[in-house]
Amino acid sequence: GQQLNQSPQSMFIQEGEDVSMNCTSSSIFNTWLWYKQEPGEGPVLLIALYKAGELTSNGRLTAQFGITRKDSFLNISASIPSDVGIYFCAGQVAGGTSYGKLTFGQGTILTVHP
Amino acid sequence: DGGITQSPKYLFRKEGQNVTLSCEQNLNHDAMYWYRQDPGQGLRLIYYSQIVNDFQKGDIAEGYSVSREKKESFPLTVTSAQKNPTAFYLCASSLAAANIQYFGAGTRLSVL
Repeated sequence: GQQLNQSPQSMFIQEGEDVSMNCTSSSIFNTWLWYKQEPGEGPVLLIALYKAGELTSNGRLTAQFGITRKDSFLNISASIPSDVGIYFCAGQVAGGTSYGKLTFGQGTILTVHP
Repeated sequence: DGGITQSPKYLFRKEGQNVTLSCEQNLNHDAMYWYRQDPGQGLRLIYYSQIVNDFQKGDIAEGYSVSREKKESFPLTVTSAQKNPTAFYLCASSLAAANIQYFGAGTRLSVL
C-alpha cells in the first residue's frame, strides 16, 4: 500500500522561529492536505493543494505541492505558542480502488517555547 | 451550527463487551469515515461509506462493524473480537468521496 513518510517526528523551537516539515511518498497523489491536531481534538484542515507545483498560503502558513506529486512541504513563519500541536500531511488519490481515501503521515509534534 | 458530532467523548469497555461510538453530521455530506489513532502513528482507516446503505472496509476493519442507515449517521461498533481497542477514534465526513474530509472531536476508548 501507499506509504507516507513525514519528517521531522518532533520539533522544539523558540517563539518567533520559522518551522519547516515535509512529507514524501512512494507513489503519486492528486491532492495533498495539511491538518493540525490539538490534544484531545480532531484534526483541523489548514491547507489543501490540488496541482503539482502549487504554492498556497494561509496566514503564516505556506504549503507546496511537489513537482513530482510525491512530496509536499509546510512552512510556518514567526511561530507563536498557539502553533503547538501535531501537524499531519495527508495524500489523496482520485480513482481506482483508492478513490477518496486519505493516506496520513505519522505526524510532526511541534512544541514552541515562549 | 454545522459540524460533526462524536459521542461520547470518553468510553470504557469491559472484557468481552461490544461498544458503539456515535457520529452524526449535519453538513449534508454523502461520505463518512472512521479512523483509529494510536500514539506516534498517523490515522488508519477502519471503514468508510460513500452513500447511504453502503460501506466498505478500510485498512484495519477486523473487530469493527458499522452501519449507514441514514445520511447523517455512521455509528461504529467495537466488538469483543477487537483485542486491542484502546485508541482515539475519529469520525470524518466529506461532500463526496474525493473531497476534503472534515473531522469530529474524537472519542477516546479505554479498556477496563
